Amino acid sequence: SYELTQPPSVSRSPGQTARITCSGDVLAEQYVNWYQQKPGQAPVLVIYNDSERPSGIPERFSGSKSGTIFTLTIGGVQAEDEADYYCQSADGSGTYVFGTGTKLTVV
Amino acid sequence: EVQLVESGGGVVRPGGSLRLSCTASGFTFDDYGMSWVRQAPGKGLEWVSGINFNGETTAYTDSLKGRFTISRDNAKNSLYLQINSLRPEDTALYHCARINSDYDYSLDVWGQGTTVTVSS
Repeated sequence: SYELTQPPSVSRSPGQTARITCSGDVLAEQYVNWYQQKPGQAPVLVIYNDSERPSGIPERFSGSKSGTIFTLTIGGVQAEDEADYYCQSADGSGTYVFGTGTKLTVV
Repeated sequence: EVQLVESGGGVVRPGGSLRLSCTASGFTFDDYGMSWVRQAPGKGLEWVSGINFNGETTAYTDSLKGRFTISRDNAKNSLYLQINSLRPEDTALYHCARINSDYDYSLDVWGQGTTVTVSS
């Protein structure tokens, strides 16, 4: 098994840009998906295949990759974006792994 | 409406067993692989297991192999997770989630979860 590392917390003011990173040794050959989880709610897919947005996800959410570091960017954060964010990848055998999670606070 | 509804959780003594269920509606169940993901109180997401569309291929996180068994009944639009030899560290909210191959095998639909508490 392998690990995906995220910063425990990120804090931004409304309108600022928030960047959340996800790193792991095996990520050079894998894709990453990102999920948003608000308190008491099920996770929601916000980015798949490194940088694609599912329908219904606002354009301010974007994803990028540089080597083995993946970044979720929220441009112009809003109060409603305050949540926990998790990256997720998978190996070739169908085993999935989640990142350690990042709490985004909008202050 | 696309929906997943979990059931079967409860309070169980260490060493006991539980069978969790997940009922799907609003989509063609046997077109999709499915997964179980759990979240211990105050902790992050942990992928537990996955199964392909016809049930012939399964996968588990290494630390849980042997005690957890995933299965499905496409005729009943249902996914299951059998958990044996329960331990206090299995206490968590268990979500089922749909695997979407169109979205690069990401988990695009989630249920609200069913709570498992292992305590004596």
